[in-house]
Amino acid sequence: QSALTQPASVSGSPGQSITISCTGTSSDVGAYNYVSWYQQHPGKAPKLLIYDVSNRPSGVPDRFSGSKSGNTASLTISGLQADDEADYYCSSYTSSGPLYVFGTGTKVTVL
Amino acid sequence: EVQLMESGGGLVQPGGSLRLSCAASEITFSNYAMTWVRQAPGKGLEWVSTMNGSGGSSYYADSVKGRFTISRDNSKSTLYLQMNSLRAEDTALYYCAKHTGYSGSHPLAFWGQGTLVTVSS
Repeated sequence: QSALTQPASVSGSPGQSITISCTGTSSDVGAYNYVSWYQQHPGKAPKLLIYDVSNRPSGVPDRFSGSKSGNTASLTISGLQADDEADYYCSSYTSSGPLYVFGTGTKVTVL
Repeated sequence: EVQLMESGGGLVQPGGSLRLSCAASEITFSNYAMTWVRQAPGKGLEWVSTMNGSGGSSYYADSVKGRFTISRDNSKSTLYLQMNSLRAEDTALYYCAKHTGYSGSHPLAFWGQGTLVTVSS
C-alpha cells in the first residue's frame, strides 16, 4: 500500500488562502468518504483537523475546510495565520490490504 | 477529554523485542478502536496497526505483519504493541491514537505524546 501523494511544501502570506492536495486511488480516497486531515507542529502529536472529507471537530476554526473529487482530496486554509505553520497529513481508510494509509505530508510555511 | 499515555519504548538491538503500552483515561475504552502510528526521525506518519473495540479484529501494515502483534485489555483500558524481530527501520516515535468509534473507519481524534523506539547495535 503506497502512501497518498501530497506536495512536499506549500507557502502563503498571512491572510491568504492555500490548498493542499492529497491524491490516492480508487481503493482509498476514491472509494470512501473517510478522508481525514491532521496538523502537526514540531515536537507535538498530530491533531485532527478534518474528518469524513469535510467535517471539523469541535474547536477547529472554520478557516480549515476539506473537499474531495474523485481520487483527490483537498485541504484549504483560509486567512492564513502564523500558527498555521506546521506539517499537514491526509489519511484515508482503504480497502486494499492494510486498513489505513497516510499521505506523504506537506510542510506549510507562512511567509 | 481522554488522555493517552504510551510507555515501553527504549533502545533495543536488531532482532530484539519490545512491548509498548498505551494507558487510556477512558472508562468506555471498549467502545473505541485503537491504532498505533509511528514516525521515523524527520519523516512522515506511518500507520502501523489497528484493533477494533472488542479486540476481535486487528489489522497490520505490510511492513510489520508477522513481527508485531496488537492487543488490548479493556478491563485495564490499555492497548499494547508487541514488537519482535526488530529492525533498524523500526526506529521511530510510536504514537497510540483513539478512534472516535468502534471501528477503524472512524478518525483518530486523540493522540498520545509517543514513546521512542530505537533499534541499534
